Amino acid sequence: GENVEQHPSTLSVQEGDSAVIKCTYSDSASNYFPWYKQELGKGPQLIIDIRSNVGEKKDQRIAVTLNKTAKHFSLHITETQPEDSAVYFCAASETSYDKVIFGPGTSLSVIP
Amino acid sequence: DTGVSQDPRHKITKRGQNVTFRCDPISEHNRLYWYRQTLGQGPEFLTYFQNEAQLEKSRLLSDRFSAERPKGSFSTLEIQRTEQGDSAMYLCASSSTGPGDNEQFFGPGTRLTVL
Repeated sequence: GENVEQHPSTLSVQEGDSAVIKCTYSDSASNYFPWYKQELGKGPQLIIDIRSNVGEKKDQRIAVTLNKTAKHFSLHITETQPEDSAVYFCAASETSYDKVIFGPGTSLSVIP
Repeated sequence: DTGVSQDPRHKITKRGQNVTFRCDPISEHNRLYWYRQTLGQGPEFLTYFQNEAQLEKSRLLSDRFSAERPKGSFSTLEIQRTEQGDSAMYLCASSSTGPGDNEQFFGPGTRLTVL
């Protein structure tokens, strides 16, 4: 079955700097790669996603890249703000409405 | 409709007791998912429904676990004879399968503590 790995497990950046989280997946059948943000005591919230027919996607300060050949995908957050502090999960799935396999998470701290 | 809701938000029980959780999905969503998340880990898939049909169950879902979605709307997850290892956050999500993005929307979760 699918296995998603993620690093780093913790990341601390100064406010205004960029943060990068990298993930790998194992199942070539995966075509949908969502990223979730989870704040303490809340459920995961989708912040951006990318499908296998696209190599890059950007939404304001957040961008994702996908290298399907290498089975790598990554999240870039620019101009980080304290409210970006949370746990971020990468994930993989065959489609957006199939079961989602999550990575172990990255705890991001943005220092004011 | 404001999103996926789960009840209760917290449950403390003694080992050996049965517990039941409820999930109300976004009303037009035909798919409903259950995930389990332990401290410091990512959510793990348990099972999902399309309408009232249970389409897939993870090997994580032992015989003590049962999920239902009898009318294709809300769902219940029951754990019988709870064990301390069942302590976790139980997350519900829903999505549609029609045209569109069909992303999964998660509820706030039910935190289970087994003493």
